[in-house]
Amino acid sequence: TQLLEQSPQFLSIQEGENLTVYCNSSSVFSSLQWYRQEPGEGPVLLVTVVTGGEVKKLKRLTFQFGDARKDSSLHITAAQPGDTGLYLCAGAGRNFGNEKLTFGTGTRLTIIP
Amino acid sequence: KAGVTQTPRYLIKTRGQQVTLSCSPISGHRSVSWYQQTPGQGLQFLFEYFSETQRNKGNFPGRFSGRQFSNSRSEMNVSTLELGDSALYLCASSLGGSRYGYTFGSGTRLTVV
Repeated sequence: TQLLEQSPQFLSIQEGENLTVYCNSSSVFSSLQWYRQEPGEGPVLLVTVVTGGEVKKLKRLTFQFGDARKDSSLHITAAQPGDTGLYLCAGAGRNFGNEKLTFGTGTRLTIIP
Repeated sequence: KAGVTQTPRYLIKTRGQQVTLSCSPISGHRSVSWYQQTPGQGLQFLFEYFSETQRNKGNFPGRFSGRQFSNSRSEMNVSTLELGDSALYLCASSLGGSRYGYTFGSGTRLTVV
């Protein structure tokens, strides 16, 4: 069974600070995705990373996929209240065609104005 | 373009009843997946359909079933409802699977009383 552990589980910081969320597994994934979910809504895709060591930037958000494709991190620079939400990582099965997404345990982020 | 549409948004059922949830994917998306989200277990994969065929299945009892029609619309059925089936049920569509990322609907909030 593939498991994805996210840390921290909860994070509350002041506006303008930087933060990093981690997503770790002992399993290898063919790709890894990050989502953000607002209360009462479905998750919204932020990024997909496919290649080990890959780094992608989305404005103030930087995503990295581990070299071994087992872990990932999300770094937010100068956090803003609009960044508040539940952040979820999700890994896709090792073999293409195995499209079961395994979701992480989630990080609930609160940015205090 | 229209997003993923799930109906109904809210549903209250009694133990022992059955329920059918509907999902209309983004036009052109042939992959549809279903997830159950609860506070205790997080997001768990139910099943994935691609071109009317179930391509992958999660670890849920046989009371949970689904199907996909030729227009890619999908339905999920839960028979003999139990209190523990209360959850947010999310549908996600994709062009061809995890490498393209998934677009989620807003979900159906099912409450079993």
